[in-house]
Amino acid sequence: QKEVEQNSGPLSVPEGAIASLNCTYSDRGSQSFFWYRQYSGKSPELIMSIYSNGDKEDGRFTAQLNKASQYVSLLIRDSQPSDSATYLCAVKADRGSTLGRLYFGRGTQLTVWP
Amino acid sequence: DTGVSQNPRHKITKRGQNVTFRCDPISEHNRLYWYRQTLGQGPEFLTYFQNEAQLEKSRLLSDRFSAERPKGSFSTLEIQRTEQGDSAMYLCASSSPVDTQYFGPGTRLTVL
Repeated sequence: QKEVEQNSGPLSVPEGAIASLNCTYSDRGSQSFFWYRQYSGKSPELIMSIYSNGDKEDGRFTAQLNKASQYVSLLIRDSQPSDSATYLCAVKADRGSTLGRLYFGRGTQLTVWP
Repeated sequence: DTGVSQNPRHKITKRGQNVTFRCDPISEHNRLYWYRQTLGQGPEFLTYFQNEAQLEKSRLLSDRFSAERPKGSFSTLEIQRTEQGDSAMYLCASSSPVDTQYFGPGTRLTVL
């Protein structure tokens, strides 16, 4: 059973601060990693994908991947109240009989207060 | 590109009834996935299709659940003899073989 663990929330930061969201995964062979944002009552919305070790930046969002440590993170710079949501870490099964499915963590609830 | 669509968006049913949900994927995507999400949890995989072939089913998918994708386009998920434990958000996602998965708005099922 592939496990995806996210830092327990909720996480609360002031507007303008950096929010840091963390995720670890159990399958060392995983190659594809995703961060989804989910507003209350809505479906997950893709924010970032990352496949290689290092950092990947997209606007205020930076995803970081360390395959040796089986660790992936998401940094949100200049946090805004509109960033308040649950952030889901997902790892894609890249091989074997489960090829293609996503394994999700439980999510970290982020609140950005004005 | 109209995105992934799902119908109905909400369904309330009584225990023991059958329900059917529909998912229309992004038109050029040949892979279609079903997930289920309960409150406070991440989505859990149920099943997926490549074109019309159902390639994998989770152990979560009991024999009361069946999914089809008859012509490799839209898909349906049927739950027979619903139970209160089936209450959840049912999410559909689609992708091309090497692309990321994009989710539809979901169908929220409430079983009374």
